Amino acid sequence: NAGVMQNPRHLVRRRGQEARLRCSPMKGHSHVYWYRQLPEEGLKFMVYLQKENIIDESGMPKERFSAEFPKEGPSILRIQQVVRGDSAAYFCASSPNRVPDTQYFGPGTRLTVL
Amino acid sequence: KNEVEQSPQNLTAQEGEFITINCSYSVGISALHWLQQHPGGGIVSLFMLSSGKKKHGRLIATINIQEKHSSLHITASHPRDSAVYICAVAPGTASKLTFGTGTRLQVTL
Repeated sequence: NAGVMQNPRHLVRRRGQEARLRCSPMKGHSHVYWYRQLPEEGLKFMVYLQKENIIDESGMPKERFSAEFPKEGPSILRIQQVVRGDSAAYFCASSPNRVPDTQYFGPGTRLTVL
Repeated sequence: KNEVEQSPQNLTAQEGEFITINCSYSVGISALHWLQQHPGGGIVSLFMLSSGKKKHGRLIATINIQEKHSSLHITASHPRDSAVYICAVAPGTASKLTFGTGTRLQVTL
């Protein structure tokens, strides 16, 4: 059973470009979480999705950020018009059930905005 | 004040020492998680607890719900245990995690 997969592992964008981060949960997992780790800071919750639904987006910045988890395919975290402050490691985690359950983390995508 | 506080922030130990990392939280929770973040950045889930104690190999995690406190113990520490250990809680009935700032552990020979 493959673990949580994220791609790309490293992404470099110039200010104003768009960044698309992908997350494929573990087989059988329908719950996906996105977390962000800013340089020298702790992890922060961004959004929680179940297939085709956003359950909790209370940690998402109001502008430029969006997330989806379609019926088919990976979950996507999209950042439009990136700024230097978006440079961070973005981790995806998945779980088979809602609460409480172990969350399995992907390797992360390290986004650098030039 | 953060909802999740860890201590110590940094810890250096010699190989073989018994290590304790503490986590206190201020909200009602459905579960508490201990995570390990490797120097390369990857995150591994070590334990999920809602009561009592769990053991896996040389790692032991305990939680006291009444005191809102958890500890992670490492017995017979080894340099490969060097990592950042992160405490995280699922507040209330929420699924999302709220994280402590982590404890950076360095185990030397």
